[in-house]
Amino acid sequence: DSGVTQTPKHLITATGQRVTLRCSPRSGDLSVYWYQQSLDQGLQFLIQYYNGEERAKGNILERFSAQQFPDLHSELNLSSLELGDSALYFCASSVQGAGGAEAFFGQGTRLTVV
Amino acid sequence: EDQVTQSPEALRLQEGESSSLNCSYTVSGLRGLFWYRQDPGKGPEFLFTLYSAGEEKEKERLKATLTKKESFLHITAPKPEDSATYLCAVQLLTTDSWGKLQFGAGTQVVVTP
Repeated sequence: DSGVTQTPKHLITATGQRVTLRCSPRSGDLSVYWYQQSLDQGLQFLIQYYNGEERAKGNILERFSAQQFPDLHSELNLSSLELGDSALYFCASSVQGAGGAEAFFGQGTRLTVV
Repeated sequence: EDQVTQSPEALRLQEGESSSLNCSYTVSGLRGLFWYRQDPGKGPEFLFTLYSAGEEKEKERLKATLTKKESFLHITAPKPEDSATYLCAVQLLTTDSWGKLQFGAGTQVVVTP
């Protein structure tokens, strides 16, 4: 158990809908990262928050957004869902915001868009 | 463009048959190289971080090494429970990269009894 909690574990929704994925980081970790894993793209970095502020952005679509709350939990919002958004979404957390600290991953949310 | 390439894509080993996985990288500046293990449908599990060429780290049957262009993950006398996908990732030196990891595609290892 990494100490990172993601909910829900599974999500099935229709195209065009909006969903929210939730992540609670390890106790004491200030950084939260979101990654998307699909069969053809592998693990892709989406976005990072550090102590409530956005710190780095990767290949995140405009239909996706995220935030980190004062209690450090984070939410990833996915809207206008398309079939291609079906993937595993992972949250990871680390102590530091910049380099050198290991990131620990949650068990992921499997999103299926039908 | 920064790139991380892992080889082979898949590896089938007999129990006890040692082997090595390769992770080669072309990046503008390396802050650290990470190895993770991932079981099907689960999140990546942290194994090692390497920061400088010549560094080595060990954990049970696994040993990771780093050079200026690549890293190796050596699996010594593997057991069936070592079956997993092994991922390598790089963390870049540029300040706008912060802690994000750029992953390779992984090597799927199957160890048969």
